[in-house]
Amino acid sequence: AQSVTQPDIHITVSEGASLELRCNYSYGATPYLFWYVQSPGQGLQLLLKYFSGDTLVQGIKGFEAEFKRSQSSFNLRKPSVHWSDAAEYFCAVPNNAGNMLTFGGGTRLMVKP
Amino acid sequence: GAVVSQHPSWVICKSGTSVKIECRSLDFQATTMFWYRQFPKQSLMLMATSNEGSKATYEQGVEKDKFLINHASLTLSTLTVTSAHPEDSSFYICSAQGQGTYEQYFGPGTRLTVT
Repeated sequence: AQSVTQPDIHITVSEGASLELRCNYSYGATPYLFWYVQSPGQGLQLLLKYFSGDTLVQGIKGFEAEFKRSQSSFNLRKPSVHWSDAAEYFCAVPNNAGNMLTFGGGTRLMVKP
Repeated sequence: GAVVSQHPSWVICKSGTSVKIECRSLDFQATTMFWYRQFPKQSLMLMATSNEGSKATYEQGVEKDKFLINHASLTLSTLTVTSAHPEDSSFYICSAQGQGTYEQYFGPGTRLTVT
């Protein structure tokens, strides 16, 4: 069965600094991968997705993620963080049938002024 | 595109009463809808998966008689929490998936408080 690990529970960065959130997956084949963001008291918004092809994926709000098969990773990056980026971020992988998502435990991002 | 709404956004009810939460896909047909529960500072826990016109599939440990799910159309699924108790207080989130796709699009969530 697939699994997703987000090693960092909390991350704090200064506004304007770069950001990298880690995601490691366990999957038998080349996975589909998603990053979602959740603001407090809100649902999840899809930031970006990887299905195949180019391993560097661009998403909304200036985020990007890179799929690295050799490291089983799909880390999320942003070159310059804004205060509004403070939120909970979830990495997720669907099962083979595509009818279930396995989520990582989430990383809470805090942004210092 | 791919907007999912939930109603109500928050609800307070008394112990023993039932509460219905609606989940709608506004601009696409959702062949599959999912219901999640989220505890504070935790990840999402899948409760059940429903396909339009079929009975929902519940995850292990989720009481199907307590959490009634109906997916009557390609744009609407409902979750009814029956005989609610304070321990049912939580944040409930639905998501919707179109046919042949892997992405799930999430609603804004419903905060349920049972007093």
